[in-house]
Amino acid sequence: DVQMTQSPSTLSASVGDRVTITCRASQTVTTSLAWHQQKPGKAPKLLIYKASILQSGVPSRFSGSGSGTEFTLTISSLQPDDSATYYCQQYETYSGTFGQGTKVEIK
Amino acid sequence: EVQLLESGGGLVQPGGSLRLSCAASGFTFSNYAMFWVRQAPGEGLEWVSGIPGTSAYTYYADSVKGRFTISRDNSKNTLYLHMNSLRAEDTAVYFCARRDYSDPSTYSPLFYYWGQGTLVTVSS
Repeated sequence: DVQMTQSPSTLSASVGDRVTITCRASQTVTTSLAWHQQKPGKAPKLLIYKASILQSGVPSRFSGSGSGTEFTLTISSLQPDDSATYYCQQYETYSGTFGQGTKVEIK
Repeated sequence: EVQLLESGGGLVQPGGSLRLSCAASGFTFSNYAMFWVRQAPGEGLEWVSGIPGTSAYTYYADSVKGRFTISRDNSKNTLYLHMNSLRAEDTAVYFCARRDYSDPSTYSPLFYYWGQGTLVTVSS
């Protein structure tokens, strides 16, 4: 099965900072890669799919890139509302594997 | 507006059974693959199972294979997860999710819309 590995597990940054989260797949997933945001006690929310397509309504400060086995999620200017856990997820295979998550904290 | 509303969670003893439901509205249910994803307390997300619109086949995570059964009733716009032989490690919030685009015969586990989840606790 495809394993997804995110780094870092936790990051702390200030409002206005540029933040980057990395996701690596154990085998190629082409561009079948999504990013989900989850706030405590809430359901996850799809932010980006097909590696770089922004879901409708998601602020443009979020962007995704990559293909094959290496992907990144970038927040260009961190806002207080971005405090959450972010998960990458592959959908190239039937199992829809998630990364372990990256918790983003605001300093 | 797409809505997914899970129900059926609760406290169950180890070895017991439970059936979760996910009532869908706001779209043509039969045209979309549907999924179950779970999250143990304080842990990350884990895909559990998926089914295309036609119910022609089903997929399961190894951790639940042989114990859980996914099904759907397109006439009732409802997705189900029948859970048997429950274990403590099945304790989690269970979310239902819908794929991105309309195609009743194909399957792609992109979780485009999510329900709010229902909590299953397995404990004696």
